[in-house]
Amino acid sequence: NAGVMQNPRHLVRRRGQEARLRCSPMKGHSHVYWYRQLPEEGLKFMVYLQKENIIDESGMPKERFSAEFPKEGPSILRIQQVVRGDSAAYFCASSPVTATNYGYTFGSGTRLTVV
Amino acid sequence: AQTVTQSQPEMSVQEAETVTLSCTYDTSENNYYLFWYKQPPSRQMILVIRQEAYKQQNATENRFSVNFQKAAKSFSLKISDSQLGDTAMYFCAFMKQSGSRLTFGEGTQLTVNP
Repeated sequence: NAGVMQNPRHLVRRRGQEARLRCSPMKGHSHVYWYRQLPEEGLKFMVYLQKENIIDESGMPKERFSAEFPKEGPSILRIQQVVRGDSAAYFCASSPVTATNYGYTFGSGTRLTVV
Repeated sequence: AQTVTQSQPEMSVQEAETVTLSCTYDTSENNYYLFWYKQPPSRQMILVIRQEAYKQQNATENRFSVNFQKAAKSFSLKISDSQLGDTAMYFCAFMKQSGSRLTFGEGTQLTVNP
């Protein structure tokens, strides 16, 4: 039973390019969460999605960032026109139902470096 | 809004000894969940232990236990018989009973020395 799979593990983008981060939840999990970890900081919530629905995007920057979790396929976190400040580790997590009872399972993260 | 504070950026302990990591939080909620996550150099976030606020009994998982003081809003993690593999960043986290987002502290880097 594979865990939460994130790819790529490392991603390098030049300023102004687009970054696409993918997350495949654990089998049977229909809830996905994205977090961002800036250097030397804790994880910060970005967005919570269920299949085809964004439930809570209150942690997402208003511009350039978007997320989706289609009926088929992985969840995608998309960052348009990346800037140096977007350099961070982006973590995805999943749960079978709302996560309140036991937390959730995290992936290994994607480290985005903007040069 | 909830906040989580970890006042110890770094700690070290000798192998086989016991260490306690501190965490305090602020919330107006009465029912909630608290977690400790471990992040080794591999960067994987690993759940160490969880506590429901409505339970008075402190959670225990093998060598890991918590001291949950609800009135003081304190949630410390005790690691007994420390092992080299315990070297990692440890994050304390809060979740409302009615919500799904985790609020993390800034982390404590624990180093276990041989």
